[in-house]
Amino acid sequence: ETGVTQSPTHLIKTRGQQVTLRCSSQSGHNTVSWYQQALGQGPQFIFQYYREEENGRGNFPPRFSGLQFPNYSSELNVNALELDDSALYLCASSLALEITNYGYTFGSGTRLTVV
Amino acid sequence: AQSVTQLGSHVSVSEGALVLLRCNYSSSVPPYLFWYVQYPNQGLQLLLKYTTGATLVKGINGFEAEFKKSETSFHLTKPSAHMSDAAEYFCAVRTGTNAGKSTFGDGTTLTVKP
Repeated sequence: ETGVTQSPTHLIKTRGQQVTLRCSSQSGHNTVSWYQQALGQGPQFIFQYYREEENGRGNFPPRFSGLQFPNYSSELNVNALELDDSALYLCASSLALEITNYGYTFGSGTRLTVV
Repeated sequence: AQSVTQLGSHVSVSEGALVLLRCNYSSSVPPYLFWYVQYPNQGLQLLLKYTTGATLVKGINGFEAEFKKSETSFHLTKPSAHMSDAAEYFCAVRTGTNAGKSTFGDGTTLTVKP
């Protein structure tokens, strides 16, 4: 079974630009969550997708948006990048029915630097 | 609302010594509790979880944690530290099954001295 893969691994963007981060969920998983991990902090929940619909969102502005595709891969889009958006972005997948019994499977993340 | 507090951002132990990483949570409903480990430049790996049932849970790599409702704690322990245990550890709480939202603590960096 494959794990969760994220691309790219590192990215440098300029303030004001837009960025798309990609995640391929573990095989068979239909739920994906995205987290932002700033340096020295724990991950912060951005949002979750289940069967292509957003069904949970953290305290992030609308310029953070996402998509989940029929094959359960997903994207995180961030518009109008700000310096504070610099962070490690983690994607985590799970089989929805297993959420209470298992944690998520996390990818290795995308390190975004905004300059 | 839910929150997690990890006491001690850095913990240093000698190889072979007891590891104790502290986690206290706040939750208005029965929580699900998790410990994750993160090695440099990697994602998070689940160490163990508590959902219901036995309050002492065993995880991978010899770690275990005990859910104490009266103390709202879920401390992580390992009897004998190994050099390979050096990493950052995160405690997380989730309430309910609806959303995948987990609230994480700020992490504890474990250093293991030879």
